[in-house]
Amino acid sequence: AQKVTQAQTEISVVEKEDVTLDCVYETRDTTYYLFWYKQPPSGELVFLIRRNSFDEQNEISGRYSWNFQKSTSSFNFTITASQVVDSAVYFCALSMKTSYDKVIFGPGTSLSVIP
Amino acid sequence: DAGVTQSPTHLIKTRGQQVTLRCSPKSGHDTVSWYQQALGQGPQFIFQYYEEEERQRGNFPDRFSGHQFPNYSSELNVNALLLGDSALYLCASSLGKIVGGELFFGEGSRLTVL
Repeated sequence: AQKVTQAQTEISVVEKEDVTLDCVYETRDTTYYLFWYKQPPSGELVFLIRRNSFDEQNEISGRYSWNFQKSTSSFNFTITASQVVDSAVYFCALSMKTSYDKVIFGPGTSLSVIP
Repeated sequence: DAGVTQSPTHLIKTRGQQVTLRCSPKSGHDTVSWYQQALGQGPQFIFQYYEEEERQRGNFPDRFSGHQFPNYSSELNVNALLLGDSALYLCASSLGKIVGGELFFGEGSRLTVL
């Protein structure tokens, strides 16, 4: 079965703190893709990053960084020096090569950054 | 460059009625996917349309149907509405030839069934 778990339902941090959002996935496919999306209050999901299963290199983009570890089936997302504008719901997602059209989303983590 | 647009943004229906939601994909995109997002949950895949055909379908009953037009826009139809169909319906567009590509989402149509 394919599944995405985000154990943290809600996180609250004070501005400028670092925060890590956890994501654990399950799949038997050897080729798959992992994503993070951000959903602000407006409702529109915004793409943040895409990783394929053969690329375990970690990535940094400004204040955002991602840690992909196949050994633990995790794809965690860290925001450094958080800002109020980072407040949103964040979704980790998975698609498999055998059914790449179907993206499976986790339940999401609601992040609140307090000024 | 217009992004993904959806209409209507909000609508209220009663049980047993039928609803049609519409989506125009991002310019240059040929694939449209529909997702249902219940309150406090992640989006659930309904189906995807490519070249005017349903390419893949999630675990939704036949009451949920769709269509894609030659200009790549799409409609989602839900018949015999149930209270549990109340949700945010999201449309996402992408390029069909790119495997595992990113999805571009609209702001959704919020359906309330009374």
